[in-house]
Amino acid sequence: AQSVAQPEDQVNVAEGNPLTVKCTYSVSGNPYLFWYVQYPNRGLQFLLKYITGDNLVKGSYGFEAEFNKSQTSFHLKKPSALVSDSALYFCAVRDEGGNNRLAFGKGNQVVVIP
Amino acid sequence: DTGVSQNPRHKITKRGQNVTFRCDPISEHNRLYWYRQTLGQGPEFLTYFQNEAQLEKSRLLSDRFSAERPKGSFSTLEIQRTEQGDSAMYLCASSLTGGWNTEAFFGQGTRLTVV
Repeated sequence: AQSVAQPEDQVNVAEGNPLTVKCTYSVSGNPYLFWYVQYPNRGLQFLLKYITGDNLVKGSYGFEAEFNKSQTSFHLKKPSALVSDSALYFCAVRDEGGNNRLAFGKGNQVVVIP
Repeated sequence: DTGVSQNPRHKITKRGQNVTFRCDPISEHNRLYWYRQTLGQGPEFLTYFQNEAQLEKSRLLSDRFSAERPKGSFSTLEIQRTEQGDSAMYLCASSLTGGWNTEAFFGQGTRLTVV
C-alpha cells in the first residue's frame, strides 16, 4: 500500500528565509504526488502535484517541490517564507497501480517567525 | 463560492446517537471522497464514489458508517450509535474523472465531537 512520511513535526523559519518541508513516499507503481496546505478552521487547499516530466514542479503562492526518484522524496520549498505561510502542510501520494485513495502524511506545522 | 460545501461545520452529539453529514461537491465533479482527520494526523481515506456508485470503502468504515450519493450529486455520511472514538474532522473532497493524477478539492470539513 502507498504511504508517505513527513519526518518533522514542526518547521520553524524566519520570515524571508528559505522554507523546506520534507516528504518521502513509498508506492508499488509510479507515484502521483501532491502537496496540500491547511489553515486553521479551513479545509485542505491544493498547492501542487507531480505527475511526470520535470522533477521541479511549481505551484501556488510561490511554492515549488522537487521530485527525486532515487531518494523517493518530494520536498516542498519556497525561496522566501512569509508570515502568512504559517500553516499545516500535508504531503500525499496516489499509487498508479492501486486505487483512487490518497495516502496522506501526518502533516508538518510550519511557523514563520517575523 | 463554487467550492466543496459541507454541513454542518460542527456537530456535538451524545454517545449512542446517530449523526448525518452532508457534502455538496463542485458541480461538474463526478468523483466524491470522504476522509477522516484526527488531531495530529493526516486525513485517512474512508470511501469514494464515482457518480452514484460507491466504488471503494476503507476498513476504517465500520458497519456503523454508511455513505450515499443519490443521483450522483450531494453525498451523506451517517454514523450510527456514535462512540467517543468517532470524534474527528470529517472531510469531503471532489474531483473530475481524469486518471490518477487528478487533484481533489476539499471542503472545510465537519467537526464531530461525541460526548
